Amino acid sequence: DTAVSQTPKYLVTQMGNDKSIKCEQNLGHDTMYWYKQDSKKFLKIMFSYNNKELIINETVPNRFSPKSPDKAHLNLHINSLELGDSAVYFCASSLLSQAPYSPLHFGNGTRLTVT
Amino acid sequence: GNSVTQMEGPVTLSEEAFLTINCTYTATGYPSLFWYVQYPGEGLQLLLKATKADDKGSNKGFEATYRKETTSFHLEKGSVQVSDSAVYFCALSDGTGNQFYFGTGTSLTVIP
Repeated sequence: DTAVSQTPKYLVTQMGNDKSIKCEQNLGHDTMYWYKQDSKKFLKIMFSYNNKELIINETVPNRFSPKSPDKAHLNLHINSLELGDSAVYFCASSLLSQAPYSPLHFGNGTRLTVT
Repeated sequence: GNSVTQMEGPVTLSEEAFLTINCTYTATGYPSLFWYVQYPGEGLQLLLKATKADDKGSNKGFEATYRKETTSFHLEKGSVQVSDSAVYFCALSDGTGNQFYFGTGTSLTVIP
């Protein structure tokens, strides 16, 4: 009965490879997010989708492409991985219709290591 | 614009000590305020929230009061335990709800 689940938990890959991270939420939320957390624990918003529509697209290299097949899923595909992409990536969801009262619910993160 | 500033860590306390982690914010409109906790190797979990001025959020012995006059939302706990060791994030949600603004996080270590 996990609320926000993302896979894989760990991802180790070499520079230049392409990888994907999947996220699913069963909370009935209408908005999903991707955040990047660096080694100093700083959180940076990357993307946000509301009902499959992109609503936040921060300054992120276009090697990163989010895809939302439906409002319960938001996947992140990364092309041509670089060393600087190493970080923990968090998926989150919220209920936009109850903004600003609805908090974010986070997944447990995917630790990406690029070698 | 919107932003959150929280005290820098790391913070180290002895068990049963009093904890305060300062958080101040700037916001347009009427934001909601949140504290999240991140235990090692895990995602962020909502600790408490307050949605309007003078509201007090509380959970697991932690408290924070939404102070509009001082634009603050300081986290307090009267007696910390070793199990409270984690990173704490202050955050706000703006009126649109599209965007959440996070502080830089404060690492807390509680020693026996």
